[in-house]
Amino acid sequence: DTEVTQTPKHLVMGMTNKKSLKCEQHMGHRAMYWYKQKAKKPPELMFVYSYEKLSINESVPSRFSPECPNSSLLNLHLHALQPEDSALYLCASSQDSVTALYEQYFGPGTRLTVT
Amino acid sequence: AQSVSQHNHHVILSEAASLELGCNYSYGGTVNLFWYVQYPGQHLQLLLKYFSGDPLVKGIKGFEAEFIKSKFSFNLRKPSVQWSDTAEYFCAVGDQAGTALIFGKGTTLSVSS
Repeated sequence: DTEVTQTPKHLVMGMTNKKSLKCEQHMGHRAMYWYKQKAKKPPELMFVYSYEKLSINESVPSRFSPECPNSSLLNLHLHALQPEDSALYLCASSQDSVTALYEQYFGPGTRLTVT
Repeated sequence: AQSVSQHNHHVILSEAASLELGCNYSYGGTVNLFWYVQYPGQHLQLLLKYFSGDPLVKGIKGFEAEFIKSKFSFNLRKPSVQWSDTAEYFCAVGDQAGTALIFGKGTTLSVSS
C-alpha cells in the first residue's frame, strides 16, 4: 500500500472558524510533510515531522498548527485563516526525512477555501 | 541556497511529437533529482528519480531523464507524447544535508489530439 490519504477533499471555512485537516499513511514511513500549493505553482513546504517530532517549520503563521499524534497520522489545525490561505494543502510521507535517500509520496490534497 | 529552474512555462505539442522539458539546479554538493507529474485534478505522482549510478533513468509511462552533472541539468524526455500526458510537470531537488525538496516552478504540458 503506497497510499497517503487526506480528509476532507474539500473544505470551505469562514475566517473565524476552527477546522482540521487530516492525513494518514500506513507505509511505516517516519517522516511526514505538509505543503501548500496554489494553482499552477509548485508545492511550498510548510512543516516536516520526523519520528513524530516537528523538525522543520518554514516560518508558517501560527494560525496553522500541525500535530502528529502517532507515526501514521498528521493533522493540520486551522484557526482564523485569511482568504489568501485558500489553496490545495498536500500531505506527503517518506521512509525517512533525509531527502537524499527516500522519495516522498503525496496525498491527493485538501482544497481549502476561506471565505 | 539551492534553486531549481524549469525553463519552459507552457509547452504545447501535438500527439506523437517528442518532448523535452528542461530542468537546471544550483547546488554544489551531491543531490538527488526527481520529476513529479500532476494530472488535472489528481495528486502529485513520482515519474522518475535519480540517486546515483546510470545518469539515464527511466520512469513510468515511457518517460526518461538524463542527469548531466557538468551542466547541473536533469531534463525530462519522452519520444512520443499522448493526449493523456497533458499535465503539470515539476522538477525537484533534494540535497543530502537537507530534509526538504526544492521544487521548480513547473511546466504545463498541453497535448492536442
